[in-house]
Amino acid sequence: GENVEQHPSTLSVQEGDSAVIKCTYSDSASNYFPWYKQELGKRPQLIIDIRSNVGEKKDQRIAVTLNKTAKHFSLHITETQPEDSAVYFCAPNQAGTALIFGKGTTLSVSS
Amino acid sequence: DGGITQSPKYLFRKEGQNVTLSCEQNLNHDAMYWYRQDPGQGLRLIYYSQIVNDFQKGDIAEGYSVSREKKESFPLTVTSAQKNPTAFYLCASSTGFQDEKLFFGSGTQLSVL
Repeated sequence: GENVEQHPSTLSVQEGDSAVIKCTYSDSASNYFPWYKQELGKRPQLIIDIRSNVGEKKDQRIAVTLNKTAKHFSLHITETQPEDSAVYFCAPNQAGTALIFGKGTTLSVSS
Repeated sequence: DGGITQSPKYLFRKEGQNVTLSCEQNLNHDAMYWYRQDPGQGLRLIYYSQIVNDFQKGDIAEGYSVSREKKESFPLTVTSAQKNPTAFYLCASSTGFQDEKLFFGSGTQLSVL
């Protein structure tokens, strides 16, 4: 099965700084790489995803980069704001299987 | 509310009791899922269903059971065999099964009395 690890488990930044969260996976057949955000007391929501035929995808202040050779992908948040404070989960999956989530990274943005 | 509803929001279980968590979606999604969330453990997959009348075990299915008799409903029963049931339970659905965005419900917090 898929072995998923996220680093770091906690991350504290000042407002305006950048934040990077890395997700490593074990299954070389994985071909879909989403990131979910869960604010305190709320449900997880998809914020960005990438497929294996693309190396990078950007959506305003967030981006995801993929390195299939090294089997990792990263979430990049620029110009962080207090509302970015949340738990972020990666969930790489192989086609035909349900999403397996990492343990999450708690991001705190202080103003 | 995203079209996927979980109830109740809070649930208490007595020793030796089975309890059922409800999950209903009106998104016309084929696939549905149950995840368990414990602090620091992320979301762990309990069961999933790709289509009506079919479901598969996830990583932590022991002590749980599900049914998928209707496309819009995927109830989860926490049986007395689940010795550590206290957790936050999240239901999700997706259009199809492969590489699809998950839509989550608002969750049920289950506690043991």
